[in-house]
Amino acid sequence: AQRVTQPEKLLSVFKGAPVELKCNYSYSGSPELFWYVQYSRQRLQLLLRHISRESIKGFTADLNKGETSFHLKKPFAQEEDSAMYYCALRGGNEKLTFGTGTRLTIIP
Amino acid sequence: EADIYQTPRYLVIGTGKKITLECSQTMGHDKMYWYQQDPGMELHLIHYSYGVNSTEKGDLSSESTVSRIRTEHFPLTLESARPSHTSQYLCASSEAGFTEAFFGQGTRLTVV
Repeated sequence: AQRVTQPEKLLSVFKGAPVELKCNYSYSGSPELFWYVQYSRQRLQLLLRHISRESIKGFTADLNKGETSFHLKKPFAQEEDSAMYYCALRGGNEKLTFGTGTRLTIIP
Repeated sequence: EADIYQTPRYLVIGTGKKITLECSQTMGHDKMYWYQQDPGMELHLIHYSYGVNSTEKGDLSSESTVSRIRTEHFPLTLESARPSHTSQYLCASSEAGFTEAFFGQGTRLTVV
């Protein structure tokens, strides 16, 4: 079975402060990990995926297989980062499983 | 334009009615998914499909059913709607292999 855990339902961070959204996963094979974001009144959309190893909107995420984690980080939070963030895992059967989500609020 | 479309966007319906939520994608994707999401809450996978005539139940048990007769179309049906079905339903699609999933705008269903 595949499972994604996001321990923080809510996270508030001051503008300019670092952000870290936690994600842990459980999967017996080699997973594909993603971060999706849902801004207010917009569709859920892909933010980044671990195989790309890219930085999107200043966010990065590193897959740590030893700790089975895929935490999302940004060094300096901006007000437009306020949104709902979901960590997701795609397993070998290509089923896409999401975590419970973290609502990030950036305090001006 | 290549996209994924869900209709209706909003639906208010009485208990006991049969409803079908439509989902169509013009990207030629093989994989399609239905998720149930309460506002600002987690997404629960309720159905997915690998391709035509292939459907599977997701992680969350649902009284809804789906069909995949055509690649581009993945409708979800509730034979008898109940207030407990009130939620947002999101449809998504992706290509085969490890690529991103594209989501529709969602259908917000209210059963009264």
